[in-house]
Amino acid sequence: DVKVTQSSRYLVKRTGEKVFLECVQDMDHENMFWYRQDPGLGLRLIYFSYDVKMKEKGDIPEGYSVSREKKERFSLILESASTNQTSMYLCASSLINNEKLFFGSGTQLSVL
Amino acid sequence: GEDVEQSLFLSVREGDSSVINCTYTDSSSTYLYWYKQEPGAGLQLLTYIFSNMDMKQDQRLTVLLNKKDKHLSLRIADTQTGDSAIYFCAVSRDDKIIFGKGTRLHILP
Repeated sequence: DVKVTQSSRYLVKRTGEKVFLECVQDMDHENMFWYRQDPGLGLRLIYFSYDVKMKEKGDIPEGYSVSREKKERFSLILESASTNQTSMYLCASSLINNEKLFFGSGTQLSVL
Repeated sequence: GEDVEQSLFLSVREGDSSVINCTYTDSSSTYLYWYKQEPGAGLQLLTYIFSNMDMKQDQRLTVLLNKKDKHLSLRIADTQTGDSAIYFCAVSRDDKIIFGKGTRLHILP
């Protein structure tokens, strides 16, 4: 089974802090994704990557950046956290484009 | 852009069938998915259907696709308490997968 691991289950940060959310997958998947999930808004795509060192903006990239230095690892970075970035963050991976996504368990981030 | 619409809540009695409906706008979607999210967890792929199929059955799950009406449904037979979750409809578009807002399925005793 594919395993997508997110480094933290819960995270509490202060406004203005730099935040790193880490995601690792163990099945040599090409594609990796970061979503945020908010009540009433469903899942919204922040950034995605189809290859090492490659990144594409999703629907809501503002206030975020990403890093993919190795194929198995995709990091989401909040350069200066703000309270409106309090959310559940979900990482996912897929073998190829449009293939089914495998999700991590999520990181619930609270920015105070 | 792609719109994927689904109702937000559904209540069903234990043992009855649950039917969760979804509509989408992009007729070129190749794959259509149903994901399940249990409390405090990530999303888990339940089933998917290819756009040239009308129906797919997998044990208690039946997926129906009406391409003309751009309507996808998930039927869960003999609904159990363990089926209580949020169910997301999702469709492929270009190189991305677009999700609906999710339907929260509540099981009544």
